[in-house]
Amino acid sequence: ETGVTQTPRHLVMGMTNKKSLKCEQHLGHNAMYWYKQSAKKPLELMFVYSLEERVENNSVPSRFSPECPNSSHLFLHLHTLQPEDSALYLCASSQVLGTGRSGANVLTFGAGSRLTVL
Amino acid sequence: AQKITQTQPGMFVQEKEAVTLDCTYDTSDQSYGLFWYKQPSSGEMIFLIYQGSYDEQNATEGRYSLNFQKARKSANLVISASQLGDSAMYFCAMSDSWGKLQFGAGTQVVVTP
Repeated sequence: ETGVTQTPRHLVMGMTNKKSLKCEQHLGHNAMYWYKQSAKKPLELMFVYSLEERVENNSVPSRFSPECPNSSHLFLHLHTLQPEDSALYLCASSQVLGTGRSGANVLTFGAGSRLTVL
Repeated sequence: AQKITQTQPGMFVQEKEAVTLDCTYDTSDQSYGLFWYKQPSSGEMIFLIYQGSYDEQNATEGRYSLNFQKARKSANLVISASQLGDSAMYFCAMSDSWGKLQFGAGTQVVVTP
């Protein structure tokens, strides 16, 4: 496997269910990201993990819980979601140069997990 | 705060023609990066091209070129010799000095035969 792999590709869940989205990167990158893409809205950055530590949490509701057990894996645990949480959830990874240093922090994205909350 | 603006929600372009996608940005950072990504209907975001704020030459990658006008804070993407496979959503994005990426609303491009 190469690149960034996301599973499942499609998920339908009720508001009381608990499910998880999985992301795996095979690029040796040191940072991983969760983005949410809703219809007619720009991509929203949800969480950033750098060297397995969460460095960004953009006021995401607690019903979304990220987990990064190692630099290659990232999970998004979902619990008691709302219908407005239905969206495409994109995982990405990159090689971050270091804080305060700009440069081509090129994100490599997975194909996304399409979530529908009933 | 950073802001990325793509004013064209959708565009039609004929095969083999060139198309320019507009992107303007606003930032107070001196060091930043500008990116373009392509998202086909399959959903995956594909990196196309990058321009650093200190780069003096406009970036080019095959049929893609980035028209970077720093004073006007614009970073338009030019796709030359459009192909049917270029039909997709195109996103402009900007990273701040810490590498955090923010995306514009996107432009839907449809290439017609």
